[in-house]
Amino acid sequence: QVQLVQSGSELKKPGASVKVSCKASGYTFTTYALSWVRQAPGQGLEWMGWINTNTGNPTYAQGFTGRFVFSLDTSVSTAYLEISSLKAEDTAVYYCARIRQQLPLHPWGQGTLVTVSS
Amino acid sequence: EIVLTQSPGTLSLSPGQRATLSCRASQSVISNYLAWYQQKPGQAPRLLIYGASSRATGIPDRFSGSGSGTDFTLTISRLEPEDFAVYYCQQYGFSPLTFGGGTKVEIK
Repeated sequence: QVQLVQSGSELKKPGASVKVSCKASGYTFTTYALSWVRQAPGQGLEWMGWINTNTGNPTYAQGFTGRFVFSLDTSVSTAYLEISSLKAEDTAVYYCARIRQQLPLHPWGQGTLVTVSS
Repeated sequence: EIVLTQSPGTLSLSPGQRATLSCRASQSVISNYLAWYQQKPGQAPRLLIYGASSRATGIPDRFSGSGSGTDFTLTISRLEPEDFAVYYCQQYGFSPLTFGGGTKVEIK
């Protein structure tokens, strides 16, 4: 079945970087794009953008430019989210989700908790 | 960007009751590209409804979606204990994709 499996929780200090992975299985990786969604503690869902798995071209939502980088390794059907210069306000669960034009986000990875604390 | 406003913020109901959740868009959602997700504590969101009214695979028929343009509704005909959760609407017709703020359905 179609599945997205994300890497485990991370505890980082302010100013550090973190790289979250999202491994896809059960379908041809390059036939769907992948989106990233942030959920701060106790808050709602915030769309961060998406990456075209054919071209590797990323699109970032407003507020997620500069320190946020989407990338791919198509040889292992995996997408990555890297966040640099971490701040306390980056503390959140980050989800990946499969997406295609005119289709909703489905399925979702299980989420990766990133905690930024000194 | 399209702003989605969900109401009420919290719905307090008993098992067996009917739940009606609203999602209003700041402008018309193209082709009714409106989805509903359920999220339980510590879990990822799960797709319930897409295209405003189509149930996702495996979703019980007590869940139904309706609406068009700017006004959408998710109805749970008879609440089961496992339905108490937070529900989000989301539009995927325009970039940026946007979510509503969520409605929490809690046990009364």
